[in-house]
Amino acid sequence: SQQGEEDPQALSIQEGENATMNCSYKTSINNLQWYRQNSGRGLVHLILIRSNEREKHSGRLRVTLDTSKKSSSLLITASRAADTASYFCATDAGGGSEKLVFGKGTKLTVNP
Amino acid sequence: EAGVAQSPRYKIIEKRQSVAFWCNPISGHATLYWYQQILGQGPKLLIQFQNNGVVDDSQLPKDRFSAERLKGVDSTLKIQPAKLEDSAVYLCASSVEVGAGVNTEAFFGQGTRLTVV
Repeated sequence: SQQGEEDPQALSIQEGENATMNCSYKTSINNLQWYRQNSGRGLVHLILIRSNEREKHSGRLRVTLDTSKKSSSLLITASRAADTASYFCATDAGGGSEKLVFGKGTKLTVNP
Repeated sequence: EAGVAQSPRYKIIEKRQSVAFWCNPISGHATLYWYQQILGQGPKLLIQFQNNGVVDDSQLPKDRFSAERLKGVDSTLKIQPAKLEDSAVYLCASSVEVGAGVNTEAFFGQGTRLTVV
């Protein structure tokens, strides 16, 4: 079963603009991760935010976590054509489970 | 550091045939995952190992899928017999040992694209 649900399903922007993707989940978590997948390739880990953290930065990425709303957002600033990919959030399945469960993803297209 | 190795990269089989996928995780990683990703969807966890024990296999169709992890290192995933709906990319990933319900960063292989005709 899917724990995370990304929104929007697809996003198309121009190079230089910011891209924001959201993830909602159902049960309490220990941490939340964001991954990126280029077409036809494996997933690459971007960032991990723990349940006691509210915001985390890595280069042009900014992730927020609101455990009261069971939601997270991924912001990519000053987007580039090379950022075109699908982005997934992943969480443990809750209830002390160690399963790593992914959402359905947001397909981001950055137009040059 | 060598990444997660998977083989084969591509496989085409007829329905009702059997197929096996192989995964070699990053050295020292105790946790190994197998995911099924159907085109346009997110990865679906099939089975998760901790060393050579199974953490979760609740979404593994056990009537046709099986997986093993020998000596807590390499793993194979088998489908027998295959159905048309098994067409997907099968992803293997590994991570350092997790505990007490806490996940860490997972490293993914390139995947095996299976087409069942």
